[in-house]
Amino acid sequence: AQSVTQLDSHVSVSEGTPVLLRCNYSSSYSPSLFWYVQHPNKGLQLLLKYTSAATLVKGINGFEAEFKKSETSFHLTKPSAHMSDAAEYFCVVTRGGSARQLTFGSGTQLTVLP
Amino acid sequence: KAGVTQTPRYLIKTRGQQVTLSCSPISGHRSVSWYQQTPGQGLQFLFEYFSETQRNKGNFPGRFSGRQFSNSRSEMNVSTLELGDSALYLCASSLARQARWTEAFFGQGTRLTVV
Repeated sequence: AQSVTQLDSHVSVSEGTPVLLRCNYSSSYSPSLFWYVQHPNKGLQLLLKYTSAATLVKGINGFEAEFKKSETSFHLTKPSAHMSDAAEYFCVVTRGGSARQLTFGSGTQLTVLP
Repeated sequence: KAGVTQTPRYLIKTRGQQVTLSCSPISGHRSVSWYQQTPGQGLQFLFEYFSETQRNKGNFPGRFSGRQFSNSRSEMNVSTLELGDSALYLCASSLARQARWTEAFFGQGTRLTVV
């Protein structure tokens, strides 16, 4: 069995300040972990993925995440928030490298204040 | 390259009716997965099809069904609609190679409202 817990349902930051979205995972198997972003009335877009290679993963739009097995965490960070980053973010786990069945966290709504 | 296309984008149905949603995957993708997104339950996996066969199924009642055609296009059907079926239904396609991760690409979804 596998699951993810997103520790914050809402996060607000000011434009230009760092972003931290927290995610803890649970998996009986070696997990693959991802962050997806969903803008209003849009589909889901993959930000970045961890699939057992480098533990520090860089994604699109300046986002990155670090896989920490000892802490079962996969937190998403960005050094400087932009207004266009305002969206809902989902932490996702899947077994192995399969894209076929994704288990989503409950989502974190990011608000970026001017 | 065209993305994942879901039709229709919006639907309003009455309780007790049935509905069919369509998903056209990215050209060359053979795996299609369906997800239900609601404010209360979040994003939940419905089922996944590969080469016209259902390979995985989530924890949904039998009123939810699907199929995949030889051109990889997929449909999902919900019979005897209930108010709780109101949701955004998302389709994702992927290459589904065994040897390495292949990204899941999502469509914009079909917004189903049951009244």
